[in-house]
Amino acid sequence: AQSVTQLGSHVSVSEGALVLLRCNYSSSVPPYLFWYVQYPNQGLQLLLKYTTGATLVKGINGFEAEFKKSETSFHLTKPSAHMSDAAEYFCAVTRMDSSYKLIFGSGTRLLVRP
Amino acid sequence: DARVTQTPRHKVTEMGQEVTMRCQPILGHNTVFWYRQTMMQGLELLAYFRNRAPLDDSGMPKDRFSAEMPDATLATLKIQPSEPRDSAVYFCASGNWNTEAFFGQGTRLTVV
Repeated sequence: AQSVTQLGSHVSVSEGALVLLRCNYSSSVPPYLFWYVQYPNQGLQLLLKYTTGATLVKGINGFEAEFKKSETSFHLTKPSAHMSDAAEYFCAVTRMDSSYKLIFGSGTRLLVRP
Repeated sequence: DARVTQTPRHKVTEMGQEVTMRCQPILGHNTVFWYRQTMMQGLELLAYFRNRAPLDDSGMPKDRFSAEMPDATLATLKIQPSEPRDSAVYFCASGNWNTEAFFGQGTRLTVV
């Protein structure tokens, strides 16, 4: 069975500081991995995804994530936080086969201090 | 611009009433998911469909919840009878396997 663990329900950074949101996954088969962002009273939007190929994945709004199989991790980073990055971020995993059961982590709320 | 459409956006109902939430997936997507989001439980997968057939509804309370896809353009999630603990935001998402899922704006359900 697949699962996702996001360490830290809340992360607070200063504007301009590095953003690091942690995600570890468990999957018995090669995974597809995703990061989504949710702004208040909205649905989830895709930030970036890893399917196959390059392990460093770039997404929208300056975010990127690196798939590390040995560490079963897919941490999300951004070099310099902006006030508009304040939102909730979800990591998700699915199997690299047609079962495609998309499972989400518990989410991390990012707070950006001026 | 293709999007997943959910109706209604907000629903307030009394305990014991039937609630039906609707979702129009993106044309061409063969997989539809229903999620429930609460502060305590986060995003829970209730059920999902492939080519309109239910693949997994193990996350759904069977005694009161039901999910169907009458056709490729409509997915429904029904609660009968509703209870206050069902208050949550319900999201529908659609996609194809090996691609990302696209989410609707959600239905905020309040059961009083």
